[in-house]
Amino acid sequence: QKEVEQNSGPLSVPEGAIASLNCTYSDRVSQSFFWYRQYSGKSPELIMSIYSNGDKEDGRFTAQLNKASQYVSLLIRDSQPSDSATYLCAVSPNTGNQFYFGTGTSLTVIP
Amino acid sequence: KAGVTQTPRYLIKTRGQQVTLSCSPISGHRSVSWYQQTPGQGLQFLFEYFSETQRNKGNFPGRFSGRQFSNSRSEMNVSTLELGDSALYLCASKGDIVRETQYFGPGTRLLVL
Repeated sequence: QKEVEQNSGPLSVPEGAIASLNCTYSDRVSQSFFWYRQYSGKSPELIMSIYSNGDKEDGRFTAQLNKASQYVSLLIRDSQPSDSATYLCAVSPNTGNQFYFGTGTSLTVIP
Repeated sequence: KAGVTQTPRYLIKTRGQQVTLSCSPISGHRSVSWYQQTPGQGLQFLFEYFSETQRNKGNFPGRFSGRQFSNSRSEMNVSTLELGDSALYLCASKGDIVRETQYFGPGTRLLVL
């Protein structure tokens, strides 16, 4: 069983702060990592993908991957109330055919 | 490109009935995956179809089945509905590139009474 674990939260941060979301995974063959954002009542939408160790930045979002520690994180800088959502971590083996999702972390950005 | 579409968007059924949900992937995508999402369990993988063949399957009972047509559209069927089947059913499509991500449709919200 390939497990993906996230803190369920809720995580609350003030507007303008940095939100840090963490994800650990159990399967060492996992090679592709994704962060999705899901607003209440909506379907998940892709925020970022990362495949190599290190940091990947896209606007206010930074994904960090450490395969040795089996750990992937998402940093949201200058958090906005519109960032309030559930963030899902997903991992996929090298074949990329099946995705394994964490249960998500609920983030609330307080104005 | 149009996104993933799912029909119907909402459905109310009673216990014992069966239901069929439909998913049309992004044009050119041959992989279609189905997920069940409930507040308590999160996103649970049901199965994945690729070129009309089931390629992966999650841990769901045989009441849950699916198929994929030659145009990559997919259907999911749940027979003998139970109250616990009430959930958001999400379809996601993916291209053939190994590292490409999945893109989700809007989902079908099923309520079993």
